Amino acid sequence: QSALTQPRSVSGSPGQSVTISCTGTSSDVGGYNYVSWYQQHPGKAPKLMIYDVSKRPSGVPDRFSGSKSGNTASLTISGLQAEDEADYYCCSYAGSYPRVFGTGTKVTVL
Amino acid sequence: EVQLVESGGGLVQPGGSLRLSCSASGVTFSSYAMHWVRQAPGKGLEYVLAISSNGGSTYYADSVKGRFTISRDNSKNTLYLQMSSLRAEDTAVYYCVKDPDWYGGYYFDYWGQGTLVTVSS
Repeated sequence: QSALTQPRSVSGSPGQSVTISCTGTSSDVGGYNYVSWYQQHPGKAPKLMIYDVSKRPSGVPDRFSGSKSGNTASLTISGLQAEDEADYYCCSYAGSYPRVFGTGTKVTVL
Repeated sequence: EVQLVESGGGLVQPGGSLRLSCSASGVTFSSYAMHWVRQAPGKGLEYVLAISSNGGSTYYADSVKGRFTISRDNSKNTLYLQMSSLRAEDTAVYYCVKDPDWYGGYYFDYWGQGTLVTVSS
């Protein structure tokens, strides 16, 4: 499978909202409601932020939300904060074991 | 608290071998599938290998098939990655990742801190 397509970078000022897109195909993003999102700060391990398209694990702030339309999933960060500056990766189930990651997006807080 | 601690990384020459370990605590290790995900320096995440909770099912990405072997010892709460015929392009941080399901769920709920493997002469 090919990597899911994400914008290389997005930016916003504190308090603003930013949205990251994640585009795949009908064989991955479009075929299942199993998209997850991971936050990675420099030198750190990724952290689960969203699973099953729009569910938040315990402890993840509700300013993080997920959605999907067709072959494109989205992660929205509302009320952007300085600590949200990080790399974000989407990931989709693609049938059985293979998982497909996105290309990654760097979020910059201006 | 779930903890995944990788070890065994280091510098190895092209064509060499290395074995990574991932020790799990704070979780019933034998109940969950496990994965290895790697990240080359400055690059994105690459899904590489998976193993079901009882070790009966495995998955290998084409990039490592025939060279890497994933295994687990549930009595020791430990996941392994045996790497052989290493290439420069295998240079990466290798993350041990827990699945929320016994066979293979739809996301990864816990990640280790990663161990760096550098393949260079």
